[in-house]
Amino acid sequence: AQSVAQPEDQVNVAEGNPLTVKCTYSVSGNPYLFWYVQYPNRGLQFLLKYITGDNLVKGSYGFEAEFNKSQTSFHLKKPSALVSDSALYFCAVRDTRDDTIIFGKGTRLHILP
Amino acid sequence: DTEVTQTPKHLVMGMTNKKSLKCEQHMGHRAMYWYKQKAKKPPELMFVYSYEKLSINESVPSRFSPECPNSSLLNLHLHALQPEDSALYLCASSQDGLFSGGSTGELFFGEGSRLTVL
Repeated sequence: AQSVAQPEDQVNVAEGNPLTVKCTYSVSGNPYLFWYVQYPNRGLQFLLKYITGDNLVKGSYGFEAEFNKSQTSFHLKKPSALVSDSALYFCAVRDTRDDTIIFGKGTRLHILP
Repeated sequence: DTEVTQTPKHLVMGMTNKKSLKCEQHMGHRAMYWYKQKAKKPPELMFVYSYEKLSINESVPSRFSPECPNSSLLNLHLHALQPEDSALYLCASSQDGLFSGGSTGELFFGEGSRLTVL
């Protein structure tokens, strides 16, 4: 079965510190991986994706993600957190069976001022 | 125009009512999606239209009826809903249709329609 797991329900980080939001995946074949962010009462916004190529992917708002094939992980990172980064973050993977996106359960990121 | 527009933003309806949610995009995207999202949960896929044809129905109850009048519009008709159907309904689109690059690119989401069934 193809799936994506986000092991943390919530991550708390002090403003200015680096942040990491974890994601692991299980797919058959080459993984297509995504990160989305959702602010309160809003739709999801695309942050970044990994399809192929460089393992370090850069995205919107200063976020980046590192693809690690041996650990089947795709962790989201940012060198210096902002209070405005507080939101719900979803890791997602392409389901090769029907070409749709499978979302993880989400991780709430709370940046402390 | 890089937006997906959903109307209404909020909808309250009784269990015997008939209502519709509307979604519109003018980006020339070839696939459009309906998702249901409960509080603090991930979006759950309901329907996918690819090249204006219903391609995926994730075993959604018949009280939800999707419609794609043209390549820019997607409707979700609601009838005889239950209180447990109360949720945020999200529309999304992708540039390519399914199995033609649709999931190698990003999904563009609308702001959602928050539905309350009394």
